[in-house]
Amino acid sequence: DARVTQTPRHKVTEMGQEVTMRCQPILGHNTVFWYRQTMMQGLELLAYFRNRAPLDDSGMPKDRFSAEMPDATLATLKIQPSEPRDSAVYFCASGLTPGEGYTFGSGTRLTVV
Amino acid sequence: GNSVTQMEGPVTLSEEAFLTINCTYTATGYPSLFWYVQYPGEGLQLLLKATKADDKGSNKGFEATYRKETTSFHLEKGSVQVSDSAVYFCALGGFSSASKIIFGSGTRLSIRP
Repeated sequence: DARVTQTPRHKVTEMGQEVTMRCQPILGHNTVFWYRQTMMQGLELLAYFRNRAPLDDSGMPKDRFSAEMPDATLATLKIQPSEPRDSAVYFCASGLTPGEGYTFGSGTRLTVV
Repeated sequence: GNSVTQMEGPVTLSEEAFLTINCTYTATGYPSLFWYVQYPGEGLQLLLKATKADDKGSNKGFEATYRKETTSFHLEKGSVQVSDSAVYFCALGGFSSASKIIFGSGTRLSIRP
């Protein structure tokens, strides 16, 4: 089965450090999403791309978060500097046709201490 | 705007009980409707979908029918198993090639042996 691959699976870092999360979408998928999941807020859409171009990043704190797709096989989400409130599970999802739904990765569990 | 409202949890049932998780939506246009499932420690998986009114999506014994007249997409299963314990998300999307998927808040389901 084709899958969305996220690395790392777990990350523990100290407040103020830079964190980079990576996502390899399914080959051929042209839409990539970044979500954050916490117990308090549930699933939040941070940003999404279509054909590598950012379509919407309004859910992302711009002062510290950035999302990019340097090529079609890699999406990155960076936090600099990280804060304890950024602790969450970050999911990447990819898809081809909106009506078909999207495939999610297993997530990166981030803990900022 | 477009939104999804689903039944609050947690829902606890005994094995072999009948399951219904309610989901209603508000949408301008004709979205596709989805149910996703999230097992502990994993990402969301697409469980089933329906792309137009009166369509029935089904998978793994779960079913949901796209009801335009009641703007609903309730998830049902005739006989649940312990392995069905998970969080279930109703979602809508597919308005356009650039649209995102909008998720409900999730319903946690626990099945007692």
